[in-house]
Amino acid sequence: EAQLVESGGDLIHPGGSLRLSCGGSGFRFSEFNLNWVRQAPGRGLEWVAYISGGSTVIHYADSVKGRFVVSRDNGRNFLYLRLNNLRAEDSAIYYCARQTNTDYWIDLWGQGTQVTVSS
Amino acid sequence: DSHMTQSPSSLSASVGDRVTITCRASQDITHHLVWFQQKPGRAPRSLIYGTSHLQNGVPSRFSGGGYGTDFTLTITNLQPEDSATYYCQQYRFFPYTFGQGTRLEIK
Repeated sequence: EAQLVESGGDLIHPGGSLRLSCGGSGFRFSEFNLNWVRQAPGRGLEWVAYISGGSTVIHYADSVKGRFVVSRDNGRNFLYLRLNNLRAEDSAIYYCARQTNTDYWIDLWGQGTQVTVSS
Repeated sequence: DSHMTQSPSSLSASVGDRVTITCRASQDITHHLVWFQQKPGRAPRSLIYGTSHLQNGVPSRFSGGGYGTDFTLTITNLQPEDSATYYCQQYRFFPYTFGQGTRLEIK
């Protein structure tokens, strides 16, 4: 069964940094484009970042551009999100999400990892 | 950016009812729309992809329609387990964008 499992969420001070990880299993990891999506407490879903299977195409939401870095290690079946210069408004549950490799809609989500930015 | 406007923001209906949620895109996204269901404390779950295709395992009382800028999610014969928040999302353009969500309460 295909699965995504996030880790790395923590309580962090404003201005700090954090790296989130997402491990994939049960599917050919390198063949799928992946995303990070976040959800602030009591709020809706916000797309954060995209990375293609071979890491050749990367996109970011304007709200994180220049501060967050998405990467992946296909040899280890891991997706990463480096969060730098964190702000209170970055507090959210961060989900990794897989896109299908036909038509490219999101078909699989992890359970999420909580990031809280507070002094 | 393709802004997604979802309505209503909340609704209440009874078991057995039919409800429709609408999603409007600020630009033509052709068929590139997916509907998600999210229950409290859980990750989202895809219901409908490519505007009208039912994801495996999703009950047939869920259906989607539309094209271009106007889309609908319809749930017939509402069941108690349909109580959730529903989101549309376009995947035609970056940045990917979500509707603000519709909270469905089953009376």
